Amino acid sequence: GAVVSQHPSRVICKSGTSVKIECRSLDFQATTMFWYRQFPKQSLMLMATSNEGSKATYEQGVEKDKFLINHASLTLSTLTVTSAHPEDSSFYICSARGPDRGREDTQYFGPGTRLTVL
Amino acid sequence: KNQVEQSPQSLIILEGKNCTLQCNYTVSPFSNLRWYKQDTGRGPVSLTIMTFSENTKSNGRYTATLDADTKQSSLHITASQLSDSASYICVVSATAGTALIFGKGTTLSVSS
Repeated sequence: GAVVSQHPSRVICKSGTSVKIECRSLDFQATTMFWYRQFPKQSLMLMATSNEGSKATYEQGVEKDKFLINHASLTLSTLTVTSAHPEDSSFYICSARGPDRGREDTQYFGPGTRLTVL
Repeated sequence: KNQVEQSPQSLIILEGKNCTLQCNYTVSPFSNLRWYKQDTGRGPVSLTIMTFSENTKSNGRYTATLDADTKQSSLHITASQLSDSASYICVVSATAGTALIFGKGTTLSVSS
């Protein structure tokens, strides 16, 4: 149980275009989802916390107008990278706060999306 | 400042050998510590989770230890396999429901 999926797994786009990444909790409801970015040989860096039905909370230094997050349902959060540039190329990973009682800080991670901006 | 430091940064071992990865943290107040395995190009997968009162936890060939007094944890891998090649990430939670603090990971390469 507690499976999180992401789509697409890999995307290549031209500079200036927008890319949407989906994160789904497949077998549980997730009121809170998280979006991370990971550069090669670096740790995961939290970008934003997505709460169902409300605005996302962005970490310091993350542009909310560039990285649009929508958490419209209890099983789906989307991250849209607007006007993507080569420096946005990275591995984007989402996670969902799990249903485990007493383990409210448990996060289940998706498989990640590799974004390459040409 | 809450930090998680892992060592070594990378490690190469022969198939069948054992190895131990280290994690030191300066996170307060401490809630729990997790070890994750991240294969290249994949999301992290949880191996173990330990709270303040737990000092050892096993998951198959993986055994994690925790010393809450010295704020150190280790992950011991027994009889390594080629499929153990991955990045192992130590993650500490300050208090339940707050953001996770990630170490940079140890990259393990198991060769035949």
